[in-house]
Amino acid sequence: AQSVAQPEDQVNVAEGNPLTVKCTYSVSGNPYLFWYVQYPNRGLQFLLKYITGDNLVKGSYGFEAEFNKSQTSFHLKKPSALVSDSALYFCAVRANSGYSTLTFGKGTMLLVSP
Amino acid sequence: EAGVTQSPTHLIKTRGQQVTLRCSPISGHTSVYWYQQALGLGLQFLLWYDEGEERNRGNFPPRFSGRQFPNYSSELNVNALELEDSALYLCASSLIPLLPLSSYNEQFFGPGTRLTVL
Repeated sequence: AQSVAQPEDQVNVAEGNPLTVKCTYSVSGNPYLFWYVQYPNRGLQFLLKYITGDNLVKGSYGFEAEFNKSQTSFHLKKPSALVSDSALYFCAVRANSGYSTLTFGKGTMLLVSP
Repeated sequence: EAGVTQSPTHLIKTRGQQVTLRCSPISGHTSVYWYQQALGLGLQFLLWYDEGEERNRGNFPPRFSGRQFPNYSSELNVNALELEDSALYLCASSLIPLLPLSSYNEQFFGPGTRLTVL
């Protein structure tokens, strides 16, 4: 069975500082990995994905994530946080076979203070 | 281009009742997914429909069911509502899922239906 762990319920960072939201996964075979963001009372918005190729993936709003196969991690990063980045962030994994489904982590609340 | 739409936005039901939630995917998307987002539990996969067929099902009881129509819109039905069914129900759509290994189309989510069971 596939699974995702987001070890931090909440991450606090000051505006202008770099941010990291952690994600580790477990899946059979090669993974498809995703980050989504959810603003209050809204659905999820796609940020970025790793399918294959370069381990550093760049996405929307200046976010990027680094795929590390040996550590089975896919941490989300941004060089300089904005107050508007405050939201709930979800990591998700899918096996690259058949009708495999997306499995989401429990989410990490990012709070960026002015 | 219109995104994924869901109706209704909010719903209040009492225990034992039945509810139907609706979802319209992005034009051209054939796959529709349903998720339950209950407080503190993250997103739990419910159902996946593609081309009118149920492709996969999450670990939910049979009182959770659904269908996909020829126009690719979908309904989620929940019978015999229980208090713990209170949650945000999210629908997502994507292009056909079976693609070359070098690609996979991400899911696009609707705003959700907030269901409260009293």
